Amino acid sequence: ETGVTQTPRHLVMGMTNKKSLKCEQHLGHNAMYWYKQSAKKPLELMFVYNFKEQTENNSVPSRFSPECPNSSHLFLHLHTLQPEDSALYLCASSQEDGGGPNEQFFGPGTRLTVL
Amino acid sequence: GQNIDQPTEMTATEGAIVQINCTYQTSGFNGLFWYQQHAGEAPTFLSYNVLDGLEEKGRFSSFLSRSKGYSYLLLKELQMKDSASYLCAVRDSNYQLIWGAGTKLIIKP
Repeated sequence: ETGVTQTPRHLVMGMTNKKSLKCEQHLGHNAMYWYKQSAKKPLELMFVYNFKEQTENNSVPSRFSPECPNSSHLFLHLHTLQPEDSALYLCASSQEDGGGPNEQFFGPGTRLTVL
Repeated sequence: GQNIDQPTEMTATEGAIVQINCTYQTSGFNGLFWYQQHAGEAPTFLSYNVLDGLEEKGRFSSFLSRSKGYSYLLLKELQMKDSASYLCAVRDSNYQLIWGAGTKLIIKP
């Protein structure tokens, strides 16, 4: 238990569906992150929020839409996804997005399958 | 481009020592991290190096040489529970983490 929770743990959706992934951190951190993890590939950073402000958007397609209503909650809204979007989506948090050790704490992930 | 290289898979014997190497080419350097990820679980933080040298933490040690763009993670007295993937990540000049694809470590009895 890392203090970062994600729901749902598993999600199967069709290409025309709309769904949302939820992340909550109980660590009092100020930065939150969305990553995509595909088999045998490096973690891909998707979005970064620092003090509720989006600071990174790594050329992510618009079919992924993040939302950060407060420093404890992060959402990833999904619509008209493609089969190649099937992956493990990991949420992480850290004290802030900057220097120093500032290690990231990860949630267990949502295993997404797009049919 | 930015790149992190680490071996795809390694095998070691219970009770032995294993060294997992990581080389990097990044735009700037603001620290290197090692994470452990068991199958189906979240990555968990192991170590952080920002200065050259060895950082020891129990059975695990991590080494950094910034001039060579090189790090290694040393695991001693291997246990079966150490079977996992080990991820190397470098924080670049924009304070963004660049990740390697991970090294899957298999421990045999």
